[in-house]
Amino acid sequence: GAVVSQHPSWVICKSGTSVKIECRSLDFQATTMFWYRQFPKQSLMLMATSNEGSKATYEQGVEKDKFLINHASLTLSTLTVTSAHPEDSSFYICSASDGRGYEQYFGPGTRLTVT
Amino acid sequence: ELKVEQNPLFLSMQEGKNYTIYCNYSTTSDRLYWYRQDPGKSLESLFVLLSNGAVKQEGRLMASLDTKARLSTLHITAAVHDLSATYFCAVDIGGGADGLTFGKGTHLIIQP
Repeated sequence: GAVVSQHPSWVICKSGTSVKIECRSLDFQATTMFWYRQFPKQSLMLMATSNEGSKATYEQGVEKDKFLINHASLTLSTLTVTSAHPEDSSFYICSASDGRGYEQYFGPGTRLTVT
Repeated sequence: ELKVEQNPLFLSMQEGKNYTIYCNYSTTSDRLYWYRQDPGKSLESLFVLLSNGAVKQEGRLMASLDTKARLSTLHITAAVHDLSATYFCAVDIGGGADGLTFGKGTHLIIQP
């Protein structure tokens, strides 16, 4: 149990375009979902926290207008990178919590390359 | 601001040896996580430590937590090549409502 999927697993897009990444909890209801970004050979950095039906809370330094997060249901959160630039190229990982325990369940990640 | 420091950041060791990775954090927390990451992959949960004095073991890995010292350790016993990976500790200070703050990771290479 407690499986989180992400789609797509990798994506290449051109500079200036937008790309949407989906994060789904497959067998539980995720009251909270988190989005992390990981640059090569670096650690994970929390970008934002989203609760179902609420606006996302962004970490300091993360542009909310550039990284649009929607948590429309208890099983789906989306991250849209708008007007992507090469510096947005990164590994994006989501995690989900069912709000009842202490575990965060991590998705397999999405590798974004902006050319 | 919560800071999580791991050391060492890089470790190369021989099979069969023992070693310990340290994780210090700056703010009171009673949730400490250890993850493994293989190249190009996401995180694999290893341990969740929830209270002072907690000790958990799985195979050749053992993790412990001292909340008073704000220190967790990940001990590797008789290392094998398959344990080569990057290991992260992470701290939760929001009781599950906030995301995790990660250490920089320890890149572990175990040579046959």
